[in-house]
Amino acid sequence: EVQLVQSGAEVKMPGESLKISCKASADTFPTYWIGWVRQMSGRGLEWMGMIYPGDSDTRYSPSFQGQVTISVDKSISTAYLHWSSLKASDSAMYYCASATEGPYVFDIWGQGTMVTVSS
Amino acid sequence: DIQMTQAPSSLSASVGDRVTISCQASQPISNSLNWYQQKPGKAPELLIYDASKLETGVPSRFTGSGSGTDFTFAIDSLQPEDIATYYCQQSDNLPPSFGQGTRLEMK
Repeated sequence: EVQLVQSGAEVKMPGESLKISCKASADTFPTYWIGWVRQMSGRGLEWMGMIYPGDSDTRYSPSFQGQVTISVDKSISTAYLHWSSLKASDSAMYYCASATEGPYVFDIWGQGTMVTVSS
Repeated sequence: DIQMTQAPSSLSASVGDRVTISCQASQPISNSLNWYQQKPGKAPELLIYDASKLETGVPSRFTGSGSGTDFTFAIDSLQPEDIATYYCQQSDNLPPSFGQGTRLEMK
C-alpha cells in the first residue's frame, strides 16, 4: 500500500523561499496524481493543485495559480510544494494526498507539514 | 468552480444515535462525491467515494447516498471514536472543491 511521508515543520520569515516535500513508498508512484491541500488554523480543506509524476502534468486551483509551484522528482518518488516568497498568510498545515482511485479522489494522505511564517 | 454546501456546520449527538449530514453541489456532479473524516490533529481520511462506495477498512455503519446535486452521509449507531469533522468533496471536475465541514460532537 502507498504511504506518503512529508517533511517536517518549518518556521520562516516573510519573503523567504520554501520547498516542502512528500515522499511516496510505492514503486507505482508515477501512475497516480499527487495533490496538495491547505488547511489554515481552525478552517476547512482547500485544494491547491496536483501533479501526475508520469509526465509532470500539473494543474492548479485558480486561487493558488502563480502563488506556489508543484513539482516532482520521479527518481526518488517525491513531490514538492514551493514558495518563492512567503507571506504571513501562507501559515497553515499542508497535506499531500494521492489519488489512486481516480484523479480527484484522495485516498492516501501524508501526515501534514506545518508552515509558520512570522517576523 | 463548483461550490459545495454542507449542513449542518456542527451537530451534537449521543452514542448509538443515527447522524446525517447533507451536501449540496452548485451544479450536477453525477455521483462524483466523496466523504472524508478528520479527527483533531490528524490528516483527513477517505471514508466514502463515488457517493456510496465504502473505502476498504471503513466500518459499515458509515453510508453515503445521492446523485446529481444532493447527497447524504450517515453514521448508524454513533461511536465515541466517530467524533471528528466530516467533509464532502466533489471529484467531477477541476478544481475538486470541498464543503466547509461538519463538526460532530458528543452530547
